[in-house]
Amino acid sequence: DADVTQTPRNRITKTGKRIMLECSQTKGHDRMYWYRQDPGLGLRLIYYSFDVKDINKGEISDGYSVSRQAQAKFSLSLESAIPNQTALYFCATSDPRVAGEEQYFGPGTRLTVT
Amino acid sequence: QKEVEQNSGPLSVPEGAIASLNCTYSDRGSQSFFWYRQYSGKSPELIMSIYSNGDKEDGRFTAQLNKASQYVSLLIRDSQPSDSATYLCASHFNDYKLSFGAGTTVTVRA
Repeated sequence: DADVTQTPRNRITKTGKRIMLECSQTKGHDRMYWYRQDPGLGLRLIYYSFDVKDINKGEISDGYSVSRQAQAKFSLSLESAIPNQTALYFCATSDPRVAGEEQYFGPGTRLTVT
Repeated sequence: QKEVEQNSGPLSVPEGAIASLNCTYSDRGSQSFFWYRQYSGKSPELIMSIYSNGDKEDGRFTAQLNKASQYVSLLIRDSQPSDSATYLCASHFNDYKLSFGAGTTVTVRA
């Protein structure tokens, strides 16, 4: 079974709709992250959470919000989707107790806003 | 100024050759460096991490780090068609933030 799962895997929505992307992990990691990936721009950090009570904005948080429902669950919401939010979205986790603190990624959600 | 820069590519190499990927970073305080492989439409997969100057080898992959020059590289020896992917360089810049380069796309010609 995958350690980091994301739902849905693909989503097409219309401009102005609210949408939620969900991430779950069984790795037992405290830290979770949301990234978006656009062609030629690499991965950009949207939000990150060090634990259930700690949520922080990343470099491109405008238009997004998050909720950390439990250690294992971290959701990303687009309150009113717009076409330039069309991208590939990845959730990731890490364990700060591990030297180097590598991040492990979920399979991604391909979001299209029409 | 971008924090992590990669040679833009794309890079095309014949099967069996060495693919050489380069990455520079801006923060001299960076301590941890990573190479991720990403197949088209898939998630990044960690293939190498390196923390100290010098070379680190894992199978056909060798990562090289030179902190004085702020340079990290990845060599893929005996390249195979299955190595065709985009390779992402990443570095920790502080306690939490992992900054990624834009990636270099490698194509291995059979």
